Amino acid sequence: GQQLNQSPQSMFIQEGEDVSMNCTSSSIFNTWLWYKQDPGEGPVLLIALYKAGELTSNGRLTAQFGITRKDSFLNISASIPSDVGIYFCAGRNYGGSQGNLIFGKGTKLSVKP
Amino acid sequence: GAGVSQTPSNKVTEKGKYVELRCDPISGHTALYWYRQSLGQGPEFLIYFQGTGAADDSGLPNDRFFAVRPEGSVSTLKIQRTERGDSAVYLCASSLNFGQPQHFGDGTRLSIL
Repeated sequence: GQQLNQSPQSMFIQEGEDVSMNCTSSSIFNTWLWYKQDPGEGPVLLIALYKAGELTSNGRLTAQFGITRKDSFLNISASIPSDVGIYFCAGRNYGGSQGNLIFGKGTKLSVKP
Repeated sequence: GAGVSQTPSNKVTEKGKYVELRCDPISGHTALYWYRQSLGQGPEFLIYFQGTGAADDSGLPNDRFFAVRPEGSVSTLKIQRTERGDSAVYLCASSLNFGQPQHFGDGTRLSIL
């Protein structure tokens, strides 16, 4: 099925570093969501964005809804070990069913060896 | 608990068998969604319910897959004549109303031998 382009696929973090990841789509979205998934668990909602240009924070996390409505980014400031996991962006299309949330393939955050 | 509950957490069965996966949404949530997640991928939409009715089943891969939500709360995803390619994690999510952020359960890991 259709998926978003999410990058990077994986990255290593050192405690205290800032992290940035993004998602792009070939079509316009009217909602962007960011989730985190730990092994063996379901995705947990981090941030929801509903308007183009919207910038929203949740603690050390900040996400933005791109003004073209075709992209979004997530930043994590001052990373800590419990930030490791897989981060997914998800979006909903104009004209599509409201239930049809489209997910990226995820960005895997690991601790630098 | 207060979250979305899915049972069983793991299911192993032989090719050709019938399986049922259950989802208990968050109390009071009117919308319920089913997704399938393969290894290394993001969740892929299968079907969603608004109340008792399937509002969008466009993600169901074929007619071996069926889902019900007879009383507008608990939902069951049913897979007939299972195939090895059906092996995946099946995630359920619910939201308070149509279009609002979706909250996920921990999924059922289905393995078809």
